Amino acid sequence: AAGVIQSPRHLIKEKRETATLKCYPIPRHDTVYWYQQGPGQDPQFLISFYEKMQSDKGSIPDRFSAQQFSDYHSELNMSSLELGDSALYFCASSLSFYEQYFGPGTRLTVT
Amino acid sequence: AQSVTQPDIHITVSEGASLELRCNYSYGATPYLFWYVQSPGQGLQLLLKYFSGDTLVQGIKGFEAEFKRSQSSFNLRKPSVHWSDAAEYFCAVGAPLGTASKLTFGTGTRLQVTL
Repeated sequence: AAGVIQSPRHLIKEKRETATLKCYPIPRHDTVYWYQQGPGQDPQFLISFYEKMQSDKGSIPDRFSAQQFSDYHSELNMSSLELGDSALYFCASSLSFYEQYFGPGTRLTVT
Repeated sequence: AQSVTQPDIHITVSEGASLELRCNYSYGATPYLFWYVQSPGQGLQLLLKYFSGDTLVQGIKGFEAEFKRSQSSFNLRKPSVHWSDAAEYFCAVGAPLGTASKLTFGTGTRLQVTL
């Protein structure tokens, strides 16, 4: 069965650089969520989109922005990167109520 | 606000022994509850979910969980643990929020399996 695809899987950036993470949801899923998981932490909700409209915002820094495109894929843009942004970034998608399926994650390292 | 508590940070069991991972939630209405498993450096895999109906839910890999409203709990169980079950387990609660429901996770329980 098709799963959520995230790219790249690993990304190394320097402080103050920008990064773009991509997420391709499971076919026919209309909702995308982004989560951030710091080392040894639980995943924290960042932002979600339903039918290409932002649905909710969590603990997402103003330096980050995201959008969902007409083909339902989503991109998370991160600017002025800080060391503390180093984390695993997960994308999840859903169609039915609350049943979110997670991608493998993008590991971002900021040096 | 919704919240999840997983009281056990780390649990060690012998292969073949039974397992119970605890999860307590706080939410004002009927919760939507999930268990996810994460191997090191990997994504989160959905083990099982509870939306409504039968309070004992079956999941993948032989796991089950029981929803107890009176105790605000959703404990995960497995009758016989395999070495491959060693991983981090997260309990999560979802709540209606517009048209997309964010998940709030507990801090996780790391399961170690000894041979």
